[in-house]
Amino acid sequence: RKEVEQDPGPFNVPEGATVAFNCTYSNSASQSFFWYRQDCRKEPKLLMSVYSSGNEDGRFTAQLNRASQYISLLIRDSKLSDSATYLCVITTSGTYKYIFGTGTRLKVLA
Amino acid sequence: GAGVSQTPSNKVTEKGKYVELRCDPISGHTALYWYRQSLGQGPEFLIYFQGTGAADDSGLPNDRFFAVRPEGSVSTLKIQRTERGDSAVYLCASSLGQKSPLHFGNGTRLTVT
Repeated sequence: RKEVEQDPGPFNVPEGATVAFNCTYSNSASQSFFWYRQDCRKEPKLLMSVYSSGNEDGRFTAQLNRASQYISLLIRDSKLSDSATYLCVITTSGTYKYIFGTGTRLKVLA
Repeated sequence: GAGVSQTPSNKVTEKGKYVELRCDPISGHTALYWYRQSLGQGPEFLIYFQGTGAADDSGLPNDRFFAVRPEGSVSTLKIQRTERGDSAVYLCASSLGQKSPLHFGNGTRLTVT
């Protein structure tokens, strides 16, 4: 089983829709969680960290479910500019590696 | 302020040649990472430096790959006897330390012909 798994998509949604992605992780010792956004042929950029209590940044909400070992990203009122690949990233206690998922592609359609 | 800088942005080389990829991290970031990304995949960990030393090189695919960071700042990823399978985008990232987010450079797109 992969350490971090994501549905590759693509998720095709109309403008204004709400869309959610999940990312599961296999190591219960995972300790830090992030969502990154990557545009085509560009480097990944930090979207938001994921905190235990959940956190929100504008239209974006991130949640952590330790019991079921997944994190989620919710995007409300989708914009065309939200079209990108969303990568989940975890770190694990005892190592310094940041493990990336394969990413979920989102296409927001006019 | 200046972000992570990688050079060259593109490198085309012939099979069997040697290449060096350079990364200049954000000033003050002690942690430096190299990743490799192939089309349709997430970044794959190669090596992590804390200061000058390679704290974890478990992601290097074989002994043709080597990286250094002699003064704890700039790092160079070196690939000997390149193979077509080495073609990918090589990403460098730096951070303030464990649990802090990674900040990536623009990457070097390596093509081995």
